[in-house]
Formats: sequence, structure tokens, C-alpha cells
Amino acid sequence: ETGVTQSPTHLIKTRGQQVTLRCSSQSGHNTVSWYQQALGQGPQFIFQYYREEENGRGNFPPRFSGLQFPNYSSELNVNALELDDSALYLCASSSALPGAGNTIYFGEGSWLTVV
Amino acid sequence: KQEVTQIPAALSVPEGENLVLNCSFTDSAIYNLQWFRQDPGKGLTSLLLIQSSQREQTSGRLNASLDKSSGRSTLYIAASQPGDSATYLCAAPDYGGSQGNLIFGKGTKLSVKP
Repeated sequence: ETGVTQSPTHLIKTRGQQVTLRCSSQSGHNTVSWYQQALGQGPQFIFQYYREEENGRGNFPPRFSGLQFPNYSSELNVNALELDDSALYLCASSSALPGAGNTIYFGEGSWLTVV
Repeated sequence: KQEVTQIPAALSVPEGENLVLNCSFTDSAIYNLQWFRQDPGKGLTSLLLIQSSQREQTSGRLNASLDKSSGRSTLYIAASQPGDSATYLCAAPDYGGSQGNLIFGKGTKLSVKP
């Protein structure tokens, strides 16, 4: 049990639709990151939020966007869904400034299927 | 840009065997490296975090080592059990240490046979 909770756990969307995934960080954690994991691959970094500001972004198009709220919970939004967006989306939180070297804790993920 | 490679991609061993999983990374300017476990259809569980100032980190039957100069880390599992069956991922920071920007290997899928 990492204390990081994600919702929904599974969902199916149609190509072209929009989706919002939610993450509740572990208590006291001010840094949240989102990752996409396709089948058989390692997770790929989407972006990170630190104290409600975006603090780093991976190689994902602008239709992937996010928010971090004052309570440090977070959302990942994906517009204009494509079939290749089908993946496990993982949220991770940590308590330290980026680079400080604290352990990162992951949630169980949200399985997104785009048909 | 950091690249992480894990070998082997899959490993099957009989119960009780000691085993080593390998991880290599291209950019040695890292502050730490982390090993994770992932069960099928689940999220990632952190196993060990090794700081760059350390050479080893131990937790129960697990021991992870870090050699920055050679760009390698190993995860040693002693006396393997069927419950150890999972995919093991290592992750190194990109750009010299941004904690949030982890680069993962593709993982080693471990199967421990009773």
C-alpha cells in the first residue's frame, strides 16, 4: 500500500474522445509525476508537477495536459484520443524537491483502452 | 539523454536459487537509481533506492548495487521463492537527477518455479 490512489481503474473510450484520470498523492507529498506504460514496455515520463506548477515534460504532444491542486492531488487529461493512447497510466508521488533523492511511490494505475 | 537497458528480458529459475538481474544506464551523472517490482496488471512497488554515494542497499533477501563509473546496477535476489515472480524494473533519473523524470528499462520478467 503506497498511499497513492488513482481513479478510475479501468475505462474504455472511443477514438477522438477526451479522458480525465485522477490521482491522490500520498499525504505530505508535493511532487506528482505521470507515466504511460504500454504493454511490454517500461513506463514513459509524461510530465511532473511540483507545488501546482509543471516542472518537466516528456516527449508527449500538447493534447496530454495536467493539473495539480492545492491539496497536491492531480489530474491527467488527454484530448482527441488515439488508438495508441491505450496503455496503463501511472501516477507517482514523492515528498522532496526534484533531485533530492527520495523514494517515489506509484499508484496502481488506470487502464485506458481506446477503441 | 539517459537510456536504461535491462538484461535478461525474461528469466525462469527453480525455487531456492539465487539470481542476479542486470541494469545498465548511459548517463552516469545520476544522484540515485531505483528498483521496482510490478505484478501483472498492477502498479509499481518500490524495492530499493540507491543513492550515488552508496554502493549497495539491502532489504531482506534483496541486495542492489550501483557502480556509476561503469553505468551498471544489479539486483541480487537470494533464495528465490514463487512469490518473487513478477517483472523487475530499474529506473535512473534523466538530466542528472530530476527525481520526477525517471527513465525506465523494459524490465526483467522473473518466473520462480516451485
